[in-house]
Amino acid sequence: GAGVSQSPSNKVTEKGKDVELRCDPISGHTALYWYRQSLGQGLEFLIYFQGNSAPDKSGLPSDRFSAERTGGSVSTLTIQRTQQEDSAVYLCASSLVGHLSSYNEQFFGPGTRLTVL
Amino acid sequence: KQEVTQIPAALSVPEGENLVLNCSFTDSAIYNLQWFRQDPGKGLTSLLLIQSSQREQTSGRLNASLDKSSGRSTLYIAASQPGDSATYLCAVAQTGANNLFFGTGTRLTVIP
Repeated sequence: GAGVSQSPSNKVTEKGKDVELRCDPISGHTALYWYRQSLGQGLEFLIYFQGNSAPDKSGLPSDRFSAERTGGSVSTLTIQRTQQEDSAVYLCASSLVGHLSSYNEQFFGPGTRLTVL
Repeated sequence: KQEVTQIPAALSVPEGENLVLNCSFTDSAIYNLQWFRQDPGKGLTSLLLIQSSQREQTSGRLNASLDKSSGRSTLYIAASQPGDSATYLCAVAQTGANNLFFGTGTRLTVIP
């Protein structure tokens, strides 16, 4: 079946502009995660959605970052007033069950490469 | 805070060799550990998931072990092939946290 999809695959923007990144999780997956992978660094957790529960936003680096998940499916990550340090690959993942389970296996999308000039 | 370390950072082997990648973590209160591969410019592909109650998982030429008490996991790749060249990442799902904690990866190159 279809995996996690993300769009756009690449985004180049100017400093100070807003960007929106989209994630389509695997159908039926209740949990959705956003991570960021910066050059030379590991994957950094950003935000977690589980069903209708309040999202875990503890990983968002600043209030310029926000995310929503509509109808329990598609998610959009928005970065306002982008800065050069926001340049990274933004990865989305989904899992069938929530995180508090030993069976939870996360499946990742191809990522969006964001470049802020 | 959970710290995940992978050694070595890079590894180069001739085709056909068996090899072991190492992953260590500081907090043993985990739900599971997952191994991924990442090809250049691509997302992550899940290879194996080991639940906290399990000792190992196998898939084809891959075998992953987990020693939770000592905070270690290994990924064994048998009869390596050039197509195995990629970065391998381990990640742990820690009790009480909603996210995976990732290591920085091992970049593997298999030379034909």
